[in-house]
Amino acid sequence: NAGVTQTPKFQVLKTGQSMTLQCAQDMNHNSMYWYRQDPGMGLRLIYYSASEGTTDKGEVPNGYNVSRLNKREFSLRLESAAPSQTSVYFCASSVNYEQYFGPGTRLTVT
Amino acid sequence: GQQLNQSPQSMFIQEGEDVSMNCTSSSIFNTWLWYKQDPGEGPVLLIALYKAGELTSNGRLTAQFGITRKDSFLNISASIPSDVGIYFCAGDNYGQNFVFGPGTRLSVLP
Repeated sequence: NAGVTQTPKFQVLKTGQSMTLQCAQDMNHNSMYWYRQDPGMGLRLIYYSASEGTTDKGEVPNGYNVSRLNKREFSLRLESAAPSQTSVYFCASSVNYEQYFGPGTRLTVT
Repeated sequence: GQQLNQSPQSMFIQEGEDVSMNCTSSSIFNTWLWYKQDPGEGPVLLIALYKAGELTSNGRLTAQFGITRKDSFLNISASIPSDVGIYFCAGDNYGQNFVFGPGTRLSVLP
Protein backbone atom coordinates (compact mmCIF):
# COMPACT_ATOMS: atom_id res chain seq x y z
CA ASN A 1 0.00 0.00 0.00
CA ALA A 2 1.95 3.04 -1.28
CA GLY A 3 -0.49 5.77 -0.12
CA VAL A 4 0.12 8.98 -2.08
CA THR A 5 2.97 8.98 -4.60
CA GLN A 6 4.40 11.95 -6.48
CA THR A 7 6.77 12.24 -9.43
CA PRO A 8 9.28 13.66 -9.98
CA LYS A 9 10.94 14.25 -6.60
CA PHE A 10 13.10 17.10 -7.89
CA GLN A 11 12.91 19.28 -11.00
CA VAL A 12 14.75 22.31 -12.35
CA LEU A 13 13.07 24.37 -15.07
CA LYS A 14 14.03 27.45 -16.99
CA THR A 15 11.61 30.37 -17.06
CA GLY A 16 8.93 29.74 -19.68
CA GLN A 17 9.25 25.97 -19.76
CA SER A 18 6.27 23.76 -19.03
CA MET A 19 5.93 20.61 -17.00
CA THR A 20 3.38 18.34 -15.33
CA LEU A 21 3.63 17.07 -11.77
CA GLN A 22 2.06 13.67 -11.31
CA CYS A 23 0.19 12.40 -8.25
CA ALA A 24 -1.51 9.08 -7.60
CA GLN A 25 -3.22 7.55 -4.56
CA ASP A 26 -4.21 3.95 -3.92
CA MET A 27 -6.52 4.55 -0.95
CA ASN A 28 -9.71 4.93 -3.00
CA HIS A 29 -10.19 8.50 -1.75
CA ASN A 30 -12.60 10.78 -3.56
CA SER A 31 -10.91 14.09 -2.76
CA MET A 32 -7.44 15.13 -3.91
CA TYR A 33 -5.48 18.36 -3.48
CA TRP A 34 -2.41 20.23 -4.66
CA TYR A 35 -0.52 22.55 -2.28
CA ARG A 36 2.62 24.59 -2.46
CA GLN A 37 4.85 25.15 0.54
CA ASP A 38 7.12 28.17 0.81
CA PRO A 39 9.41 28.92 3.77
CA GLY A 40 7.54 30.30 6.77
CA MET A 41 4.16 30.22 5.01
CA GLY A 42 2.77 26.78 5.71
CA LEU A 43 0.85 25.09 2.91
CA ARG A 44 -1.31 26.99 0.46
CA LEU A 45 -4.00 25.28 -1.57
CA ILE A 46 -3.62 25.57 -5.36
CA TYR A 47 -6.46 23.38 -6.61
CA TYR A 48 -8.59 20.58 -5.28
CA SER A 49 -10.85 17.91 -6.71
CA ALA A 50 -13.79 16.69 -4.66
CA SER A 51 -14.41 13.78 -7.00
CA GLU A 52 -13.44 12.37 -10.37
CA GLY A 53 -14.31 14.85 -13.08
CA THR A 54 -14.49 17.95 -10.86
CA THR A 55 -11.84 20.51 -9.97
CA ASP A 56 -11.97 23.80 -8.07
CA LYS A 57 -9.57 26.66 -7.46
CA GLY A 58 -7.92 27.10 -4.10
CA GLU A 59 -6.12 30.08 -2.63
CA VAL A 60 -3.31 30.42 -5.23
CA PRO A 61 -4.42 28.95 -8.60
CA ASN A 62 -2.86 31.49 -10.98
CA GLY A 63 -0.25 29.97 -13.31
CA TYR A 64 -1.44 26.40 -12.76
CA ASN A 65 -3.88 23.94 -14.32
CA VAL A 66 -5.01 20.56 -13.05
CA SER A 67 -6.50 17.38 -14.43
CA ARG A 68 -8.34 14.70 -12.45
CA LEU A 69 -7.61 11.90 -14.85
CA ASN A 70 -9.46 9.25 -12.87
CA LYS A 71 -10.14 8.52 -9.22
CA ARG A 72 -6.48 7.66 -8.55
CA GLU A 73 -4.63 10.40 -10.41
CA PHE A 74 -4.53 14.19 -10.10
CA SER A 75 -1.92 16.10 -12.10
CA LEU A 76 -0.70 19.70 -11.81
CA ARG A 77 0.57 21.53 -14.88
CA LEU A 78 2.70 24.63 -15.14
CA GLU A 79 2.27 25.98 -18.68
CA SER A 80 4.95 28.67 -18.51
CA ALA A 81 7.07 28.40 -15.39
CA ALA A 82 8.11 31.54 -13.51
CA PRO A 83 10.72 31.99 -10.74
CA SER A 84 7.84 32.78 -8.33
CA GLN A 85 6.72 29.16 -8.76
CA THR A 86 9.91 27.87 -7.14
CA SER A 87 8.51 25.89 -4.21
CA VAL A 88 7.85 22.46 -2.79
CA TYR A 89 4.62 20.97 -4.15
CA PHE A 90 2.57 18.47 -2.18
CA CYS A 91 -0.31 16.35 -3.35
CA ALA A 92 -2.81 15.00 -0.83
CA SER A 93 -5.92 12.87 -0.75
CA SER A 94 -8.57 12.78 1.94
CA VAL A 95 -11.30 10.76 3.55
CA ASN A 96 -13.53 11.93 6.42
CA TYR A 97 -11.79 15.32 6.45
CA GLU A 98 -8.38 13.71 7.15
CA GLN A 99 -5.71 14.46 4.58
CA TYR A 100 -2.81 12.22 3.65
CA PHE A 101 0.19 13.76 1.89
CA GLY A 102 2.71 12.58 -0.66
CA PRO A 103 6.46 13.10 -0.23
CA GLY A 104 6.55 16.30 -2.31
CA THR A 105 8.21 17.62 -5.47
CA ARG A 106 10.91 20.24 -5.05
CA LEU A 107 10.73 22.57 -8.06
CA THR A 108 13.26 25.26 -8.90
CA VAL A 109 12.61 27.73 -11.73
CA THR A 110 15.68 29.68 -12.88
CA GLY B 1 -8.84 34.54 2.76
CA GLN B 2 -8.91 32.64 6.02
CA GLN B 3 -5.70 32.61 8.01
CA LEU B 4 -4.47 30.65 10.98
CA ASN B 5 -1.94 31.87 13.50
CA GLN B 6 0.32 29.48 15.36
CA SER B 7 2.37 30.18 18.44
CA PRO B 8 5.11 29.96 19.22
CA GLN B 9 6.83 30.17 15.83
CA SER B 10 9.69 28.08 17.19
CA MET B 11 10.75 26.54 20.46
CA PHE B 12 13.78 24.89 21.95
CA ILE B 13 13.18 22.46 24.79
CA GLN B 14 15.11 19.92 26.79
CA GLU B 15 14.44 16.23 26.25
CA GLY B 16 11.83 15.08 28.74
CA GLU B 17 10.03 18.43 28.95
CA ASP B 18 6.38 18.92 28.04
CA VAL B 19 5.47 21.10 25.06
CA SER B 20 2.42 23.21 24.40
CA MET B 21 1.53 25.02 21.19
CA ASN B 22 -1.64 26.59 19.91
CA CYS B 23 -3.48 27.72 16.83
CA THR B 24 -6.02 30.51 16.47
CA SER B 25 -8.30 31.71 13.71
CA SER B 26 -10.62 34.62 13.04
CA SER B 27 -13.07 32.15 11.46
CA ILE B 28 -14.77 29.09 12.87
CA PHE B 29 -13.97 25.60 11.65
CA ASN B 30 -15.85 22.32 11.91
CA THR B 31 -12.67 20.25 11.97
CA TRP B 32 -9.22 20.91 13.43
CA LEU B 33 -6.22 18.81 12.48
CA TRP B 34 -2.62 18.63 13.66
CA TYR B 35 0.23 17.48 11.43
CA LYS B 36 3.96 16.91 11.88
CA GLN B 37 6.45 17.40 9.08
CA ASP B 38 9.98 15.99 9.10
CA PRO B 39 12.63 17.55 6.82
CA GLY B 40 12.18 16.51 3.19
CA GLU B 41 8.89 14.74 3.87
CA GLY B 42 5.21 15.49 3.54
CA PRO B 43 3.10 16.33 6.60
CA VAL B 44 1.79 13.37 8.58
CA LEU B 45 -1.55 13.53 10.34
CA LEU B 46 -1.25 13.30 14.14
CA ILE B 47 -4.71 14.07 15.49
CA ALA B 48 -8.10 15.05 14.03
CA LEU B 49 -10.76 16.84 16.09
CA TYR B 50 -14.40 17.01 15.02
CA LYS B 51 -16.39 18.59 17.85
CA ALA B 52 -16.06 21.79 19.87
CA GLY B 53 -14.58 20.98 23.28
CA GLU B 54 -13.28 17.60 22.14
CA LEU B 55 -10.07 16.42 23.81
CA THR B 56 -8.22 13.64 21.98
CA SER B 57 -4.97 11.82 22.75
CA ASN B 58 -2.58 9.87 20.56
CA GLY B 59 0.18 8.42 22.71
CA ARG B 60 2.10 11.33 24.24
CA LEU B 61 0.13 13.85 22.17
CA THR B 62 -3.07 15.53 23.33
CA ALA B 63 -5.07 18.03 21.33
CA GLN B 64 -8.23 20.00 22.05
CA PHE B 65 -10.83 21.65 19.83
CA GLY B 66 -11.63 25.04 21.34
CA ILE B 67 -15.16 25.78 22.55
CA THR B 68 -15.42 28.83 20.27
CA ARG B 69 -14.36 26.66 17.28
CA LYS B 70 -11.72 29.29 16.53
CA ASP B 71 -8.76 27.68 18.25
CA SER B 72 -7.01 24.45 19.09
CA PHE B 73 -3.98 23.42 21.10
CA LEU B 74 -1.51 20.55 20.98
CA ASN B 75 0.45 19.23 23.95
CA ILE B 76 3.37 16.81 23.78
CA SER B 77 4.40 15.18 27.03
CA ALA B 78 7.90 13.95 27.92
CA SER B 79 9.50 15.07 24.65
CA ILE B 80 12.03 12.84 22.91
CA PRO B 81 14.52 13.63 20.11
CA SER B 82 12.26 12.24 17.36
CA ASP B 83 9.64 14.89 18.23
CA VAL B 84 11.82 17.38 16.34
CA GLY B 85 10.04 18.81 13.33
CA ILE B 86 7.47 21.35 12.24
CA TYR B 87 3.96 21.08 13.64
CA PHE B 88 1.12 22.44 11.56
CA CYS B 89 -2.46 23.03 12.53
CA ALA B 90 -5.19 23.03 9.89
CA GLY B 91 -8.82 24.04 9.94
CA ASP B 92 -11.42 22.65 7.62
CA ASN B 93 -15.09 22.99 6.77
CA TYR B 94 -16.62 19.95 5.10
CA GLY B 95 -13.38 18.74 3.49
CA GLN B 96 -13.43 21.36 0.75
CA ASN B 97 -10.95 23.98 1.82
CA PHE B 98 -8.27 23.08 4.32
CA VAL B 99 -6.43 26.11 5.72
CA PHE B 100 -3.00 25.58 7.27
CA GLY B 101 -1.13 27.60 9.86
CA PRO B 102 2.49 28.67 9.27
CA GLY B 103 3.82 26.01 11.65
CA THR B 104 5.70 25.72 14.95
CA ARG B 105 9.27 24.51 14.63
CA LEU B 106 10.24 22.29 17.55
CA SER B 107 13.84 21.54 18.51
CA VAL B 108 14.67 19.10 21.29
CA LEU B 109 18.01 19.45 23.06
CA PRO B 110 19.54 16.30 24.58
